[in-house]
Amino acid sequence: EAQVTQNPRYLITVTGKKLTVTCSQNMNHEYMSWYRQDPGLGLRQIYYSMNVEVTDKGDVPEGYKVSRKEKRNFPLILESPSPNQTSLYFCASSLSTSGSRSYEQYFGPGTRLTVT
Amino acid sequence: SQKIEQNSEALNIQEGKTATLTCNYTNYSPAYLQWYRQDPGRGPVFLLLIRENEKEKRKERLKVTFDTTLKQSLFHITASQPADSATYLCALEAGGFKTIFGAGTRLFVKA
Repeated sequence: EAQVTQNPRYLITVTGKKLTVTCSQNMNHEYMSWYRQDPGLGLRQIYYSMNVEVTDKGDVPEGYKVSRKEKRNFPLILESPSPNQTSLYFCASSLSTSGSRSYEQYFGPGTRLTVT
Repeated sequence: SQKIEQNSEALNIQEGKTATLTCNYTNYSPAYLQWYRQDPGRGPVFLLLIRENEKEKRKERLKVTFDTTLKQSLFHITASQPADSATYLCALEAGGFKTIFGAGTRLFVKA
């Protein structure tokens, strides 16, 4: 089944304790992205990756890191989480072909993160 | 700065009526605009994409229009059903490979 998976689905942690949220897709998509969703603010893009080893900042990258060493995986790293990073996080992927990009994004189920 | 606004936080309609949701944007000229559906506790699901050279797109009971002069997209659900109750998000590519989303409109369809 074509899907985007995220782990963990729920995480409660303390300020300053490094964490990683994993994201994996099995559709051979080139484009992957991370979003956070907060009430009243909608989805805001954190980072995106156009292909392996190619990443760029979205609208709210501060406090986050990403890496794209393999096509299927795009982990989100919080080196020193703070309470304002408490949010619902979504990973997404999209097929991207040379010269013609498909824009439909497939989203994972979400990771609810609480930082105390 | 680039901005997307969806007309209201919530919309209540009666079953069988047509729901119309609005998405307005400023300070950008997107090549396309997308609509997604999101159910509580789940990730958004893609519904429709409309490009700047398309005035209208249809899929079953869904219809999207795109007016680049008004900088507005309208999303219609005809013959609405309680199962259509969800949050609907519009999104556009904000240059390069960035995507920006509106905050969404929650649709409630009463039986």
